[in-house]
Amino acid sequence: SAVISQKPSRDICQRGTSLTIQCQVDSQVTMMFWYRQQPGQSLTLIATANQGSEATYESGFVIDKFPISRPNLTFSTLTVSNMSPEDSSIYLCSVEEVQQGITGELFFGEGSRLTVL
Amino acid sequence: GDSVTQMEGPVTLSEEAFLTINCTYTATGYPSLFWYVQYPGEGLQLLLKATKADDKGSNKGFEATYRKETTSFHLEKGSVQVSDSAVYFCALFTSGTYKYIFGTGTRLKVLA
Repeated sequence: SAVISQKPSRDICQRGTSLTIQCQVDSQVTMMFWYRQQPGQSLTLIATANQGSEATYESGFVIDKFPISRPNLTFSTLTVSNMSPEDSSIYLCSVEEVQQGITGELFFGEGSRLTVL
Repeated sequence: GDSVTQMEGPVTLSEEAFLTINCTYTATGYPSLFWYVQYPGEGLQLLLKATKADDKGSNKGFEATYRKETTSFHLEKGSVQVSDSAVYFCALFTSGTYKYIFGTGTRLKVLA
């Protein structure tokens, strides 16, 4: 099973600034996912990051606001740009375990809790 | 589009009570179904899963059966413990869209 480390675990940010969240996986994975979990709500997929190609963003999320890097098979970053209080949320990095071509479970990092003042 | 609906919380139970958290889904094709649990201050972790109709997933005393006829995957446990206090998420995955869809989560609080 994959072990995922996220940094920072939490941060308090000022409006208009940007913050980069790092996600490190202890094994090589093809697909990495970035989710947002707003207070009292479900997980919303922001984008899927594949190594060697641009991230694929979900409806409502754009690259200018949430640029993503995926330099290798074990690491990814998500930047939350020009933050506003509405960006206050938990951001989760996730990878998928695939066995014999059958999709398995998702493994999650502990999340990065951002508060924007 | 695909969706997951689960009962709203919070659910508050006494220790050793019976737990049911309802989950229903809509999906094209034949999704895989999951229950994830999020303990306070932690990320989500898989609790159990079922990949086809009539499969029963089980783990740590929790069970859920994939019911295609009722499009449901209700989570049950016969006797809850204080340590089961957490948020539980029902989720589905369909290979056609290659997306995981999560329910809104149900917070469970178990009192000693």
